[in-house]
Amino acid sequence: NAGVTQTPKFQVLKTGQSMTLQCAQDMNHEYMSWYRQDPGMGLRLIHYSVGAGITDQGEVPNGYNVSRSTTEDFPLRLLSAAPSQTSVYFCASSYSSSLAGDQASYEQYFGPGTRLTVT
Amino acid sequence: AQKITQTQPGMFVQEKEAVTLDCTYDTSDPSYGLFWYKQPSSGEMIFLIYQGSYDQQNATEGRYSLNFQKARKSANLVISASQLGDSAMYFCAMREHRRSKLIFGQGTTLQVKP
Repeated sequence: NAGVTQTPKFQVLKTGQSMTLQCAQDMNHEYMSWYRQDPGMGLRLIHYSVGAGITDQGEVPNGYNVSRSTTEDFPLRLLSAAPSQTSVYFCASSYSSSLAGDQASYEQYFGPGTRLTVT
Repeated sequence: AQKITQTQPGMFVQEKEAVTLDCTYDTSDPSYGLFWYKQPSSGEMIFLIYQGSYDQQNATEGRYSLNFQKARKSANLVISASQLGDSAMYFCAMREHRRSKLIFGQGTTLQVKP
C-alpha cells in the first residue's frame, strides 16, 4: 500500500490564482479530511468526507472547495488564492468515520503534506 | 462544542526523565476518543496513543501513557525515560462518536536536553 499520497509537495501561487491539491489513499478508507497547519495554531480542519459523495465543512472552510467522487480521492481546491492561505496542508484518512469497532479502524493516517506559499 | 486545548507552547525535559504534556477537552457527546500524535522536525504525523471515553484503564503504549481524568476532561500524555529522539511537536486530538471530524489542539513543542 502506498498509504496516503499528496501532490504536489511544494507550490508557489500568485494571489488570485486557483489550484487543486491532490490527495489519494489506497486503503479503502471511508473517512478523509484536509487540515492546514500554521505556527501556533495547530492543525485546523478545513473539510472532511465520510464517504464518496458526502463532504462537510470543518473549522476553516472559507476559500476552499472539496469533492469526493471516489473512495480513493479527495482533492482540495483553492478558488482564488490569498496570502492568508500560505500554510502546510495535510490530508488524512481513516477506515471508519466513527468510533465503532476496533481502534485500528479509526486511527488516522496522514499524507506527507504540501507546503503552499501565496505571494 | 467540540474543543481541544493545549496550554503549553513549549516544554523542556532532561534526557531519561519523565514529562507530562497537558491536554484538556470539551464535548457534550458521552462517547468520544482522544488521540496523541507526534510531529518531528521532518514534518510527518505519527500516531502515538488512543483513549476511548468508556475505557476503564488508562492507555499505555511502550514509554507513552495517557493520564485520563474524565471528570476533569483532561487527557495528559506522559512520556517516561525521555530520549533525544522525543524532541518534537506533540498534538492532542479528539473525535466525537456522533460527529466524524477529528479536531486538534494547538500543539506542544518538547525539547529533550542531553
